[in-house]
Amino acid sequence: DIVMTQSPDSLAVSLGERATVNCRSSQSVLKRSNNRNYLAWYQQKAGQPPKLILYWASTRESGVPDRFSGSGSGTDFTLTISSLQAEDVAVYYCQQYYTTPYTFGQGTKLEIK
Amino acid sequence: QVQLQESGPGLVKPSGTLSLTCAVSGASITSRTWWTWVRQPPGKGLEWIGETYHDGDTNYNPPLASRATVSADKSKNQFFLNLNSVTAADTAVYYCVRKPTVTDTFDYWSPGTLVTVSS
Repeated sequence: DIVMTQSPDSLAVSLGERATVNCRSSQSVLKRSNNRNYLAWYQQKAGQPPKLILYWASTRESGVPDRFSGSGSGTDFTLTISSLQAEDVAVYYCQQYYTTPYTFGQGTKLEIK
Repeated sequence: QVQLQESGPGLVKPSGTLSLTCAVSGASITSRTWWTWVRQPPGKGLEWIGETYHDGDTNYNPPLASRATVSADKSKNQFFLNLNSVTAADTAVYYCVRKPTVTDTFDYWSPGTLVTVSS
């Protein structure tokens, strides 16, 4: 199985400041045939199901604010929120869909400082 | 708009079978989509259980493969999860999820249902 490891486990950022979450996979999730990274990010607010925010490592899902961005390739990825808003408080998960079993990181809890 | 809604018992006895149904609206079960189940134990992370395509093809997470069955009913536009021989470790919020083949991502999720395994 591909193991996904996120850092940090929790993060407190002031409103308007940048928040960065890291994700590392135990093997590359870059498919050479189409040069795409099979890496997604999800946001889960309290009491709600996860919501897809980024896929192919850096493509924003429809309706997701442009303050959310993703970067990285191969085994190392980053989710960045450029200017934290109160509604961004949530747990964020990375997930690989390169191969089954699809696996998630352990989650990063983002709070307001 | 695509909507998924799961239904089933909220309490299952140990060694029994957990059975859930996911009703899909706004999309066809026969579309180019894998219909998926994901679970989340209380206060913990996400675990992929398995998926089915409308032609009957399935994939499972190996630790659950011997106990899980995911299937679909095209006539009812629903898909199902059966998990047998349950223990307290199977207590979790269960989500049904759409995974279209064009992106392979989990783009629509049901609200989730808590299933507790207890006598």
